[in-house]
Amino acid sequence: NAGVTQTPKFQVLKTGQSMTLQCAQDMNHNSMYWYRQDPGMGLRLIYYSASEGTTDKGEVPNGYNVSRLNKREFSLRLESAAPSQTSVYFCASSVLLGRGETQYFGPGTRLLVL
Amino acid sequence: DAKTTQPPSMDCAEGRAANLPCNHSTISGNEYVYWYRQIHSQGPQYIIHGLKNNETNEMASLIITEDRKSSTLILPHATLRDTAVYYCIVRVAQDNNNDMRFGAGTRLTVKP
Repeated sequence: NAGVTQTPKFQVLKTGQSMTLQCAQDMNHNSMYWYRQDPGMGLRLIYYSASEGTTDKGEVPNGYNVSRLNKREFSLRLESAAPSQTSVYFCASSVLLGRGETQYFGPGTRLLVL
Repeated sequence: DAKTTQPPSMDCAEGRAANLPCNHSTISGNEYVYWYRQIHSQGPQYIIHGLKNNETNEMASLIITEDRKSSTLILPHATLRDTAVYYCIVRVAQDNNNDMRFGAGTRLTVKP
């Protein structure tokens, strides 16, 4: 049981390049999330998916697109990377039980846009 | 979601209990108290959560005051590996469409 996995761990892009960040979870969770964390700051929600086939914008969605490929996988795409998107990206998944929802996070992808 | 207030930093001696406070005076009746921690640029790690009763698991204990306006996370025997930023989050837990709003947290340093 690997939990939440993310690829790649590190990436360097030039301004204008595109890339897709991959996330997968093996906990059979319905909901998945993409956050970004800038240096010295808390996490901010980019997009989330409450269930397979649905996605919704979070606090900072501009410049990103997402795909909930199936229940396990939730990808984040940068179509034209900008230096302002330099950040650490975390994927999370969650399950809603009787005692409330708990989110579990992946190890993160460190992205540098030059 | 209710706002939380935590001290920016705390120190604790290795082997001693670490008690991390959190104030959430505007908490609503249906909001849970969650604790996460983040160890140096790793992904946030879930620790514990509760509604009104005290909770304990293999990592920590959560003490919530009777009026629910504050809580304390207790790491019973802190180790150097517990050095991290600890986040107290208060949120409605019935709806799994909500994100976790991480504030500044408390930077706990465990010293030898």
